[in-house]
Amino acid sequence: EVQLVQSGAEVKKPGESLKISCKGSGYRFTSYWIDWVRQMPGKGLEWMGIIYPGDSDTRYSPSFQGQVSISADKSISTAYLQWSSLKASDTAMYYCARRETLGGPSDIWGQGTMVTVSS
Amino acid sequence: SYELTQPLSVSVALGQTARITCGGNNIGSKNVHWYQQKPGQAPVLVIYRDSNRPSGIPERFSGSNSGNTATLTISRAQAGDEADYSCQVWDSSTGVFGTGTKVTVL
Repeated sequence: EVQLVQSGAEVKKPGESLKISCKGSGYRFTSYWIDWVRQMPGKGLEWMGIIYPGDSDTRYSPSFQGQVSISADKSISTAYLQWSSLKASDTAMYYCARRETLGGPSDIWGQGTMVTVSS
Repeated sequence: SYELTQPLSVSVALGQTARITCGGNNIGSKNVHWYQQKPGQAPVLVIYRDSNRPSGIPERFSGSNSGNTATLTISRAQAGDEADYSCQVWDSSTGVFGTGTKVTVL
């Protein structure tokens, strides 16, 4: 079965760092892009960025450039989304999703990781 | 940056047809994908590249794209179709989602 499994919910304080993960299985991880998508409480989907684990080619939305870092470890079929200093406004559900080509659809989604940032 | 505009909400009577629009500048020249999201669940792809249905998606879901508007059509709406729907395109090496539409089945 093709699936993306994300790490569990996190509760952090402002200023702390965080790295969440997305592990792919059931397919060739290095042949598909992985998107990261934010969904703030009660709001719509926001595209954050994308990585191609095969060569680590990474693109960011201008809205998220410099705010987060996307990486991947192809040896363990896992992509990451990382913050160096969290803000309360980072409180959201974060989804990873795979797509075969830039411009193609995101056909498989992870279950989401809820990140809560509160003092 | 490229923007996609959707109506905030659409209501449809059980068994009738719902049409959800996604407006963007010359969107007809882009590939549009549509996602369904039910409360507490991850999004699910329902239409890709304007009008194609993934395996397992009912034929009641269809899509079109021309000019400045893409449309997702849900025929013979069922209670289980009640969800949020978002369109998505790729523009200038960036993914863009629409503002999202809540579909209510009456």
